[in-house]
Formats: sequence, C-alpha cells, structure tokens
Amino acid sequence: DVKVTQSSRYLVKRTGEKVFLECVQDMDHENMFWYRQDPGLGLRLIYFSYDVKMKEKGDIPEGYSVSREKKERFSLILESASTNQTSMYLCASSPIQINQPQHFGDGTRLSIL
Amino acid sequence: SQQGEEDPQALSIQEGENATMNCSYKTSINNLQWYRQNSGRGLVHLILIRSNEREKHSGRLRVTLDTSKKSSSLLITASRAADTASYFCATEDYGQNFVFGPGTRLSVLP
Repeated sequence: DVKVTQSSRYLVKRTGEKVFLECVQDMDHENMFWYRQDPGLGLRLIYFSYDVKMKEKGDIPEGYSVSREKKERFSLILESASTNQTSMYLCASSPIQINQPQHFGDGTRLSIL
Repeated sequence: SQQGEEDPQALSIQEGENATMNCSYKTSINNLQWYRQNSGRGLVHLILIRSNEREKHSGRLRVTLDTSKKSSSLLITASRAADTASYFCATEDYGQNFVFGPGTRLSVLP
C-alpha cells in the first residue's frame, strides 16, 4: 500500500515564525500536492510538484513556498506564519499516469498563535 | 476553475438505510473520484469513474456519472455506523488538474 507520511499530526507555532511541514511518500510517485482544508471550503490546492525541483502554484499560494529536492519528499514552508494560516494541511501524491487517485497523508493540524 | 459541489452538506440516517450523496461540476472532466475522510484523518480514495463510464460498483458503493448534466451520485447501501465520515467528490480534467468539493458529512446512527 502507498504510504504518505506527514511529519507532525499537530503543530503549534507563533506569528512570524518560519514553519516547515514535511511530507514523504514511499511509492515513487511523480506528483505531490499540498492542500489546506478549512470547514465549509473543502480542499484548496496550495502548490503541487510533478518532478524533482519542479513546482507549480495552486489556487492559494500566497504566504507559502515549497521545496522538492528529492522525489519522495515535498516540503511546505510558511515564510512568516500568520493566524489566518491556522488550518489542516494535507499532503498527497499520485503517479504521473492519468486516471489515478491521489493518496493522502493523515494531515497536520497547524495552529498559529 | 471547475468546482465539485456536494449535496447535501450533511446527512443523518439510521443504520441499515441507504445514503445518497450528489456532486455537480461545471466543466469537462476526464474522471470523477469519490473520497472518504474520517474525523481528523486524511482522505481515502473510494472509487474512480471515467468520463466514458456511466456506473461503477465497489462493494456497497455505487457511483453514477451523467456528463450531460455534469453530475454524479454516490450511493452507500445498507449503511453502518462505521460509514460515518465526510465524503468528497473530486474532478480531474485532461490537464490532470484536481478540484475537490466541500464535502458531505454523513452520520449513521446505530
């Protein structure tokens, strides 16, 4: 089975801090995604990557950056955390072929105080 | 961008009853997928239906797709308390762009 592992289930940080969320997948998937999930809004795509060192902006990239130095790892960075970035963050991966599902990690619930 | 919208937002039924959730979208798609999310966890893929398919089954799940109406439905038969979760539809277009809807919260009462 595909396993997508997010480094923390819960994280509490302070306003202005630089925050790193890590995600690792073990199925050699080309595509990796970062979403945030807020009540009533569903999942919103922040960034995605289809190859090492490649990244594409999603629908809400402002305030975030990403890093993909290795195929299995995709990091989300909050450059200067703000309270409106308090949310559930979900990482997902999928193979390059079409008609394939995304595989999700268990999420990181991030609170910015 | 295209948007999947689930209906209803919340659904409460008794164990043993059937649960039906609907999804509408706006633009052309390559496939539509349904996911389940237990409270505080990530999403788990349930079923994928391609744009040239009309119906698909997996165990107690039945998914239909009507591309002329740009809508899909997920039917869970003989529901169990363990089916309590949020259910999301997601559309994938030909550019491999995914869009998730806001989800339906299903509560199955014992």
